[in-house]
Amino acid sequence: GAVVSQHPSRVICKSGTSVKIECRSLDFQATTMFWYRQFPKKSLMLMATSNEGSKATYEQGVEKDKFLINHASLTLSTLTVTSAHPEDSSFYICSATHSGRAGGTQYFGPGTRLTVL
Amino acid sequence: GQNIDQPTEMTATEGAIVQINCTYQTSGFNGLFWYQQHAGEAPTFLSYNVLDGLEEKGRFSSFLSRSKGYSYLLLKELQMKDSASYLCAVRSMRGTALIFGKGTTLSVSS
Repeated sequence: GAVVSQHPSRVICKSGTSVKIECRSLDFQATTMFWYRQFPKKSLMLMATSNEGSKATYEQGVEKDKFLINHASLTLSTLTVTSAHPEDSSFYICSATHSGRAGGTQYFGPGTRLTVL
Repeated sequence: GQNIDQPTEMTATEGAIVQINCTYQTSGFNGLFWYQQHAGEAPTFLSYNVLDGLEEKGRFSSFLSRSKGYSYLLLKELQMKDSASYLCAVRSMRGTALIFGKGTTLSVSS
């Protein structure tokens, strides 16, 4: 149990387009999901906390109008990168908190590699 | 502020034992997690400590001392597939996001 999926796993898009990334908890409900980005050989950087049924909480320096987050159900959160630019190219990873596991363990999706040309 | 420190790189040989240390200074404490991350993949959960002491899970063990702000991950009987980055992460409050260290890249050679 505790499987988190992400789709797509890899996307290449042109500058100026928008890209939507889905994060799903497959076998548990997650009232809270988190979105991270990771640059090569760097650690995970928290972008935002996504709460089901309410607005996301963004970390300092993360543009909420550029990175739109929607958490419409207990098993799905989406991240939309709007008007993507080459500097948005990165590895985006979501995680979901499984409240039924010890300590409310966070489980990660497999990640989405975004390349903006 | 929030700060989590762990060594950048470590090397070891197959069959050996390696200990990866992590020290933390956070505004609160609600658990410490260790994750393994292979290049190009997402982190996978290894262990969780919230009380002082040792948690053992197969070849992997994790230790926590809250008074010292210190944890270590112990890997026994190392295998080549254990070559990966190991991330120490702390949750300062229940329900909040994990704060990650920069990770320790472990290289296992034959």
